[in-house]
Amino acid sequence: QKEVEQNSGPLSVPEGAIASLNCTYSDRGSQSFFWYRQYSGKSPELIMFIYSNGDKEDGRFTAQLNKASQYVSLLIRDSQPSDSATYLCAPSDSSASKIIFGSGTRLSIRP
Amino acid sequence: KAGVTQTPRYLIKTRGQQVTLSCSPISGHRSVSWYQQTPGQGLQFLFEYFSETQRNKGNFPGRFSGRQFSNSRSEMNVSTLELGDSALYLCASSELPGLAGVTDTQYFGPGTRLTVL
Repeated sequence: QKEVEQNSGPLSVPEGAIASLNCTYSDRGSQSFFWYRQYSGKSPELIMFIYSNGDKEDGRFTAQLNKASQYVSLLIRDSQPSDSATYLCAPSDSSASKIIFGSGTRLSIRP
Repeated sequence: KAGVTQTPRYLIKTRGQQVTLSCSPISGHRSVSWYQQTPGQGLQFLFEYFSETQRNKGNFPGRFSGRQFSNSRSEMNVSTLELGDSALYLCASSELPGLAGVTDTQYFGPGTRLTVL
């Protein structure tokens, strides 16, 4: 059973601080990694994708990937109340053309 | 470009009935994947279609089926509905079908919320 582990939270972060979301995965063959944001009652929205080891930055978001440690993270700088949502980590499945979703981390930005 | 559209947005059915959900992918996207999302199980993969062919199937009973048309639109069908089928059903489209281990970016539709009474 391929697993994706995320701390369910809630992770409470003060406005303006850095929020750090972590994810570990069991499938060593995963090559594509996605972070989705999901507001309550809405569908997942793509935030970032990363394929190579290291950091990838897009605005206030930075994805970090370490394939050797099977670890991927998402940093959100200058956190805003609008960032309050559930963040889903989703690595690709090495044996099939599909994504495996973690259960998500609920992030709450407090003013 | 218009996003992924799903119809209907909300549906109420009773046990034993069947239901058909529809998904229109982003223009130019030929791969469609379906997911079931429940509070207890999270996002679970149902199946993926590309060029009218089912390429992958998740661990769901045969009551769950789908198909894709030549214009890439997709439908999923659930027969003999059970209370446990109440969920948010999400469709996602991508431009390419992806390969094992490397998946193209998927974009989600708004979902169909199915309630089974």
